[in-house]
Amino acid sequence: KNEVEQSPQNLTAQEGEFITINCSYSVGISALHWLQQHPGGGIVSLFMLSSGKKKHGRLIATINIQEKHSSLHITASHPRDSAVYICAVRYNNNDMRFGAGTRLTVKP
Amino acid sequence: DAGVIQSPRHEVTEMGQEVTLRCKPISGHDYLFWYRQTMMRGLELLIYFNNNVPIDDSGMPEDRFSAKMPNASFSTLKIQPSEPRDSAVYFCASSFYLSGNTIYFGEGSWLTVV
Repeated sequence: KNEVEQSPQNLTAQEGEFITINCSYSVGISALHWLQQHPGGGIVSLFMLSSGKKKHGRLIATINIQEKHSSLHITASHPRDSAVYICAVRYNNNDMRFGAGTRLTVKP
Repeated sequence: DAGVIQSPRHEVTEMGQEVTLRCKPISGHDYLFWYRQTMMRGLELLIYFNNNVPIDDSGMPEDRFSAKMPNASFSTLKIQPSEPRDSAVYFCASSFYLSGNTIYFGEGSWLTVV
């Protein structure tokens, strides 16, 4: 069982829709990362969170430490947002685990 | 800065051959990470270095894998001998701090062992 659970696994949306991707983890963490992997394979770090909320353009990431849960939101989604979004957590013992990823397809 | 630079981008090799993947981290970053990504297992952390010293290599799959960081601007991941199940994308990444900073990824090295 993966210690980092993402949902949904696959998500198809129409351009303009609001997107939410969820990530849950099992024990205390020091940091959570949201990564974006484009079809070409390159990985980009979107956010690093240890508490609260961060916003960058149309992307918003939140984390609830008590509930061990984080969400990544995309407002006004666009076809260029189509990618795999990966949640990665660094546990307090510095161990790092990755979610299986959420494959997002935004249709025009 | 040019970002994290990895080479080769693509490698196809025969089973039993030695494979060496190379990485140049972003200048000034204290941490360097090697990850592996496969369809079956997703992304996995193999090993990370702090100030050129290996800190945690518990993710290295077996003795055929070794990693070195002889200086702050260069690291290698070596597989000897390579096996078909080593076929994966190997990512190198670097960051300033362990927990408090963004991780910057290289483009990845796509390895196929036939």
